[in-house]
Formats: sequence, C-alpha cells, structure tokens
Amino acid sequence: DGGITQSPKYLFRKEGQNVTLSCEQNLNHDAMYWYRQDPGQGLRLIYYSQIVNDFQKGDIAEGYSVSREKKESFPLTVTSAQKNPTAFYLCASSSNQGYEQYFGPGTRLTVT
Amino acid sequence: AQSVAQPEDQVNVAEGNPLTVKCTYSVSGNPYLFWYVQYPNRGLQFLLKYITGDNLVKGSYGFEAEFNKSQTSFHLKKPSALVSDSALYFCAVRDITWGKIIFGKGTRLHILP
Repeated sequence: DGGITQSPKYLFRKEGQNVTLSCEQNLNHDAMYWYRQDPGQGLRLIYYSQIVNDFQKGDIAEGYSVSREKKESFPLTVTSAQKNPTAFYLCASSSNQGYEQYFGPGTRLTVT
Repeated sequence: AQSVAQPEDQVNVAEGNPLTVKCTYSVSGNPYLFWYVQYPNRGLQFLLKYITGDNLVKGSYGFEAEFNKSQTSFHLKKPSALVSDSALYFCAVRDITWGKIIFGKGTRLHILP
C-alpha cells in the first residue's frame, strides 16, 4: 500500500517532557509538512520541508523541532517549550508536480 | 499576502438537495486551488484541484468546483447531497513563492436525512 503513516494514533505525556511524533511516506514525495489542528482554528503550519536535509519554519514553529534526514521520514518533536501542546497533529506530503497534499491519519497528543 | 476564506462555519442541507460550500481567495498570481474533506478524527482527504484549464473541475465522490476568476471564488458543489457527505471541508490555495499550502478555517457540512 502506498501512503503516509503516522504513529502513534494517541499519545499521552506529562508536562515538561519532550515527545517525538513519527511520519513516514512511501509515495516518493519530495515535500513534507506538519500541521497542528485545534477545534475551530483549521490547520496551522508548523514546519515544512521541500527536500532532504532542508526545512523551513511555518506559522507556529516555536516549541517544535523537525529533521529530514531521509526522503520518506519527517519526525516532529514537541518540546517542553511549547506552551499548549495538546492538539491533533497532521503530517502531509506532496510531489512537486501535482501539488496536492496527502495526509496521514493524525496523532492526537494530550499533555497533562 | 495569499489567503483563503470560507465565509460559512456551517452549512445545513437536506439529503437529495444540491449543496454549495463557499471559498474565496486572494493570490498575487495564478491560483492553485484545492478542496479537502475531513471525517472525525481522521486526516484530510484530497477532493479536487484547479491549476489551469476548464473552470469546472470534477473530483472524488461526485463533487465538483467552479473556478471564477472575476469573483476570486472556488465554490465546492454537488448536485445531490448524501448523509455520508457530512464532514468538515477545507479550501486551500498554494503559495507560489514558498510552496506551502494555505488552508481556510473549514466549513462543517451537515446533511439532514
């Protein structure tokens, strides 16, 4: 099956702990994205990467970090510096030809 | 700055009636426009896109969208709504300069049986 996977589906952490969300794609897409979704606020871009070993901050990058060491992988770390980390996190990828994004199933992070 | 607006937070339509979900955009050049659908606790699914060509674009699940350059709109339509179309719909525009996609806030569509 071709697609984009995120794990885990649900994640619980204590305040002050860093946590890493996984995102893997086997679509051979060059670009990958991380979004945060909160109720009533739509999608907000955290980070994006258009090529391996390169990434750019999105609109709400503070308190987050990413890496892009492999084309198929784009993990997101939510650090203790992120003030309100509880949210639904979505990863997406796209080719440089079609431009439409394909989304993973999401990870719901709860920090208490 | 490029932006996209979905003026309605919620749209209610009776099953079998036509539906329209509105989207307007602002871009500096030629727009790349998209519609996505999201079911509860799931990722977004791509429905259709406009890059160039015919103003009426057909997509998945019987949906279509009409690109109107003079009104800077890209409304999503379906001739006959199904209860299973109830979901959250997002319009998006691609930022040509930076390659990122900008999403609207979403419109919740309720199809009433």
